[in-house]
Amino acid sequence: AQSVTQPDIHITVSEGASLELRCNYSYGATPYLFWYVQSPGQGLQLLLKYFSGDTLVQGIKGFEAEFKRSQSSFNLRKPSVHWSDAAEYFCAVGAGGNQFYFGTGTSLTVIP
Amino acid sequence: EAGVAQSPRYKIIEKRQSVAFWCNPISGHATLYWYQQILGQGPKLLIQFQNNGVVDDSQLPKDRFSAERLKGVDSTLKIQPAKLEDSAVYLCASVQRGAPYNEQFFGPGTRLTVL
Repeated sequence: AQSVTQPDIHITVSEGASLELRCNYSYGATPYLFWYVQSPGQGLQLLLKYFSGDTLVQGIKGFEAEFKRSQSSFNLRKPSVHWSDAAEYFCAVGAGGNQFYFGTGTSLTVIP
Repeated sequence: EAGVAQSPRYKIIEKRQSVAFWCNPISGHATLYWYQQILGQGPKLLIQFQNNGVVDDSQLPKDRFSAERLKGVDSTLKIQPAKLEDSAVYLCASVQRGAPYNEQFFGPGTRLTVL
């Protein structure tokens, strides 16, 4: 069965530090992969997506993610975190047809 | 371009009462989704519409939940009667085409508290 795992429930980083949020998926074929961000009281906003081609994808707000088929991973990265990046981050997989699965999310706290 | 609109933003009801949520997708978006997001979890798909037809409602608890999308534009999700475990944020999303790999645009959600 398809699934998405985000191993880190909560991460705290200092402003200006680098960030990596982990995402692992389970799916038999090549998945469509997404990262969304959810700020308090807001809907989910798409940061980036991977369908095919270059395994390193660039997104909005300075985020990037790398698809590693061998590790079934799609980790999100940012070289320098800003205080405004504090939010909940969700990894999701589109598994064909109408199937779309979200991970449980990683809550990011940014300290000055 | 206006985003996905949802109302109300917050709702508090007692168990066994009924409640309805409304969603107006982005103009021209044919596909509409309703998700349930329980605190500490990721969104879970409840139902997907393509225009005014249901594409997938396999995870909708049909004994108490119902949804419609008359005229293929806005949509209503109803819970009747509500249970304590229905406390969650209900998110509406729309996409321009039906494939799940298209970007889903989400509304702000309706936070439901069942007492």
